[in-house]
Amino acid sequence: NAGVTQTPKFRVLKTGQSMTLLCAQDMNHEYMYWYRQDPGMGLRLIHYSVGEGTTAKGEVPDGYNVSRLKKQNFLLGLESAAPSQTSVYFCASSYSDRGGDQPQHFGDGTRLSIL
Amino acid sequence: AQKVTQAQTEISVVEKEDVTLDCVYETRDTTYYLFWYKQPPSGELVFLIRRNSFDEQNEISGRYSWNFQKSTSSFNFTITASQVVDSAVYFCALIGSDSGYALNFGKGTSLLVTP
Repeated sequence: NAGVTQTPKFRVLKTGQSMTLLCAQDMNHEYMYWYRQDPGMGLRLIHYSVGEGTTAKGEVPDGYNVSRLKKQNFLLGLESAAPSQTSVYFCASSYSDRGGDQPQHFGDGTRLSIL
Repeated sequence: AQKVTQAQTEISVVEKEDVTLDCVYETRDTTYYLFWYKQPPSGELVFLIRRNSFDEQNEISGRYSWNFQKSTSSFNFTITASQVVDSAVYFCALIGSDSGYALNFGKGTSLLVTP
């Protein structure tokens, strides 16, 4: 069972470059989330999706875009990378039928450095 | 709005000592869910426990125990007879009714257990 897979695991970008982080889950989950983790800040929600074709902003959405064209995939895009976006990015997913009464399944994270 | 506070940034103990990690939360929801996650040095997030707001029963799982008290809005985590393998960052988190049931994380407590 793959669970939640994030691609790539590591990436170094130059300021101004663009890239897309891919999150794929094979559990048929409706809900998917992107978080970022910075030292001393815990994890903060960037964007989330409650179903195919829907996305919404979280706590720290500026500088990011997302798309959920297929139920199993949730893409996080950086159009013009900035050093402040250096972080570890985590994707998570969960079923919708139990609301918050279930653990979210996390990917292993993507470590992104912007020079 | 939801908020989770983990006042202890870092804790250092000697192996076999007991240690309690504090978690205080704020929410206006009457139905909510509390979680603890462990993040070992390898970086992945490991789910430890989930509690809903209607279940104040304490839970014990091996050396781990959790004390949920609605009266003080706290969900504390105790490790009994700590081991070196317990060294990790521990996150307390809350799910309410907003943001598609996304997790609201505390900033984490870094636990170091030395031999």
